[in-house]
Amino acid sequence: EIVLTQSPAILSLSPGERVTLSCRASQSVSSNYLGWYQQKPGQAPRLLIYGASTRAAGIPDRFSGSGSGTDFTLTISRLEPEDFAVYYCQQYGSSFFTFGPGTKVEI
Amino acid sequence: QVQLQESGPGLVKPSETLSLSCTVSGGSVTGGSYYWSWIRQSPEKGLEWIGYIYDSGSTGYNPSLKRRVTMSLDTSKNQFSVKLSSVTAADTAVYYCARGGFLNGRFWFDPWGQGTLVIVSS
Repeated sequence: EIVLTQSPAILSLSPGERVTLSCRASQSVSSNYLGWYQQKPGQAPRLLIYGASTRAAGIPDRFSGSGSGTDFTLTISRLEPEDFAVYYCQQYGSSFFTFGPGTKVEI
Repeated sequence: QVQLQESGPGLVKPSETLSLSCTVSGGSVTGGSYYWSWIRQSPEKGLEWIGYIYDSGSTGYNPSLKRRVTMSLDTSKNQFSVKLSSVTAADTAVYYCARGGFLNGRFWFDPWGQGTLVIVSS
């Protein structure tokens, strides 16, 4: 099983700041299957990035994804108030999907 | 715009079978080459993929749940469903249905249903 580790667990930031979230896999994963999701309290996760670097429809360009192999990154160039949420990475390998434990971005 | 909505009992007794359905609106469960999926979330395990059913009816399940999971499509109702047998308290979670698919060889889960809380308790 491929295990995803996200760091840090919690980030305390202010609006306008740049943030970089890390997702590390226990073994190499295909970039085609690496996604990032945003979840706000009481809501379902929302797709932000798929294929490691492709923004989903309607996602602002302040969100960007990068990486390959075992190290992937989600960057928010300038935090907006609505960006405070939990962010999860997800991958597919060994015939099933796994999610990371999430990074909470808080004010 | 495709929307998904979960439905089913919010309380299930230990050792019984959890049954949930997901109604798809704004699109069809067949013909789109989608992976209709179930994902659950609990404080203990976080987000956990349960499995998918492809629009052809083929399935893929999480190995840790495979012995207890069955998924099916109901094209007449434009729904897909999951059954999880022999439930325990560890199966208490918010259950989400989601559409999975490929675009240019890249996979995504989108959209997701709003989620439904299932508690396993006597």
